[in-house]
Amino acid sequence: EIVLTQSPDFQSVTPKEKVTITCRASQSIGSSLHWYQQKPDQSPKLLIKYASQSISGVPSRFSGSGSGTDFTLTINSLEAEDAATYYCHQSSSLPHPTFGGGTKVEIK
Amino acid sequence: QVQLQESGPGLVKPSQTLSLTCTVSGGSISSGGYYWSWIRQHPGKGLEWIGYIYYSGSTYYNPSLKSRVTISVDTSKNQFSLKLSSVTAADTAVYYCARRILTGSFDYWGQGTLVTVSS
Repeated sequence: EIVLTQSPDFQSVTPKEKVTITCRASQSIGSSLHWYQQKPDQSPKLLIKYASQSISGVPSRFSGSGSGTDFTLTINSLEAEDAATYYCHQSSSLPHPTFGGGTKVEIK
Repeated sequence: QVQLQESGPGLVKPSQTLSLTCTVSGGSISSGGYYWSWIRQHPGKGLEWIGYIYYSGSTYYNPSLKSRVTISVDTSKNQFSLKLSSVTAADTAVYYCARRILTGSFDYWGQGTLVTVSS
């Protein structure tokens, strides 16, 4: 099983600040890494696919980068509505996907 | 716009079988190209993949749950279902159905349904 380790677990951030969340895979997964946003009492929402590909309707302040084992989700100029927990997910290991443990972003 | 909706009992007794159904609208399960998935989230915790099914009936399960899980599909109703047997309190969670692109991301999710295992 491919293990995904996210850091940090929690981040308290001021609006307009830049947020960086990392996801490290236990083995190389190429670009088969996806990011989701989950707001309280809502289902996860796809933010970024294949490490860096944008999703229609997702604000441009969200971007992803990385390949192999190290990946980053960046939120430029954080807005209050971005308070959520963010998860990474790998689809390299077929058929068994795994998720990272999540990073909770709180607005100061 | 594809939509998924979970349905089923919100309370299940220990040792019984949890049964949920996901109804898909705005797209056909039979069209292929996707895995129809179940994912759960324990209270305050992260996401756990349970398993998925292809429209043909091929299934894939999380090894940690495999002995207790059955996922089936009814293409005539555009639904797929989850059965989890011999449940305990540890199976209390929000259960989501989701669509997964074959080698990629989960692009559509249901709203989730809380299932509590308690006598």
